[in-house]
Amino acid sequence: AQTVTQSQPEMSVQEAETVTLSCTYDTSENNYYLFWYKQPPSRQMILVIRQEAYKQQNATENRFSVNFQKAAKSFSLKISDSQLGDTAMYFCAFMLLDSNYQLIWGAGTKLIIKP
Amino acid sequence: DGGITQSPKYLFRKEGQNVTLSCEQNLNHDAMYWYRQDPGQGLRLIYYSQIVNDFQKGDIAEGYSVSREKKESFPLTVTSAQKNPTAFYLCASSIDASTNNEQFFGPGTRLTVL
Repeated sequence: AQTVTQSQPEMSVQEAETVTLSCTYDTSENNYYLFWYKQPPSRQMILVIRQEAYKQQNATENRFSVNFQKAAKSFSLKISDSQLGDTAMYFCAFMLLDSNYQLIWGAGTKLIIKP
Repeated sequence: DGGITQSPKYLFRKEGQNVTLSCEQNLNHDAMYWYRQDPGQGLRLIYYSQIVNDFQKGDIAEGYSVSREKKESFPLTVTSAQKNPTAFYLCASSIDASTNNEQFFGPGTRLTVL
């Protein structure tokens, strides 16, 4: 069975700093997708970034980038120049490339950006 | 505006009652999902539907039921058989159920059993 682990329950940084959220996963499969979702206080879940396992290049979306280490089964999220609006719960999720298409979720990291 | 709506935002239920949570999308998406979110845990899949008139159980389907009579609608019924229904429920949809498609989420319904 696949599992996703986020070892940091809560983090806080000053505005404009860079912060990295960690995520590790466990699978014996080779083809899968990885996602980072953001859930602000409004509780609306929003996709931040996604990575296809077959791609070696790390995905980037503006201030958000990932460090995907397939051999280590690690998928960390880096937020550069953090903003107050980045304050949210961040969830790492995993999806196997098969007919089930279920997202397996980590427990989340609460990120607080301080002014 | 295209999107996913869930109603009500807050729902209170007495023990032994069935309640139905609404989820509607106007994104013309084929696939729809129901998740449960508990504090300190990731989302867990209750049911999903890849197409109208078809749905499959997720990891925690016991005590829940769904229907998918229309493409736009995927209501979730929390039955009295669900032992611990107090939670936050999220509905999502995607163009189809393939891995390359982003799941879009509704604003959620907070269910509290009194």
